[in-house]
Amino acid sequence: AQSVTQPDIHITVSEGASLELRCNYSYGATPYLFWYVQSPGQGLQLLLKYFSGDTLVQGIKGFEAEFKRSQSSFNLRKPSVHWSDAAEYFCAVGRRTGSQGNLIFGKGTKLSVKP
Amino acid sequence: GAVVSQHPSRVICKSGTSVKIECRSLDFQATTMFWYRQFPKQSLMLMATSNEGSKATYEQGVEKDKFLINHASLTLSTLTVTSAHPEDSSFYICSARVGGNTEAFFGQGTRLTVV
Repeated sequence: AQSVTQPDIHITVSEGASLELRCNYSYGATPYLFWYVQSPGQGLQLLLKYFSGDTLVQGIKGFEAEFKRSQSSFNLRKPSVHWSDAAEYFCAVGRRTGSQGNLIFGKGTKLSVKP
Repeated sequence: GAVVSQHPSRVICKSGTSVKIECRSLDFQATTMFWYRQFPKQSLMLMATSNEGSKATYEQGVEKDKFLINHASLTLSTLTVTSAHPEDSSFYICSARVGGNTEAFFGQGTRLTVV
């Protein structure tokens, strides 16, 4: 069965430091992969997605993610974190090949940013 | 991106009563809407998929008679939690998309507390 694992529940980084949030998935075919961000009281906002092609995907707000099939990973990165990046981040996979709406989510990683 | 609005953002209700949550697509017509549920420190779990004008498709383990979903128009879907119990307390979030294999946009979610 498909699943998404985010190993880190909570991460704290200093402002200006680099960030990597881990995501591992289990999926039989070529996955559709997503990263969403959720700020307190807000809905989920799509940061980036991977369907096919270049395995390094650029997203909004300076985020990028790299799809590594051999490691079943889709880690999210940002070279320099801003205080406004503090939020909860969710990795997700489309439940069926090609699905962008029917998603399986990881448990999320809460990011705290210290001055 | 497109805007999806959920109302209310927070609601407290007494055990045994019913509560209705609305999900509206404000600037596009949503042929498909998805309803998710999120328990504390857990991932978002898909409850059901609704297509405008037809009955919702519920995920395994979700009681369709308890969680009534109506998608009567292309801009509005409602989730009614009937005979609510404290264990129904959760964060409910919807997403909506135009149709086909397009991106789904999320509402800001509704925090339901049953006392």
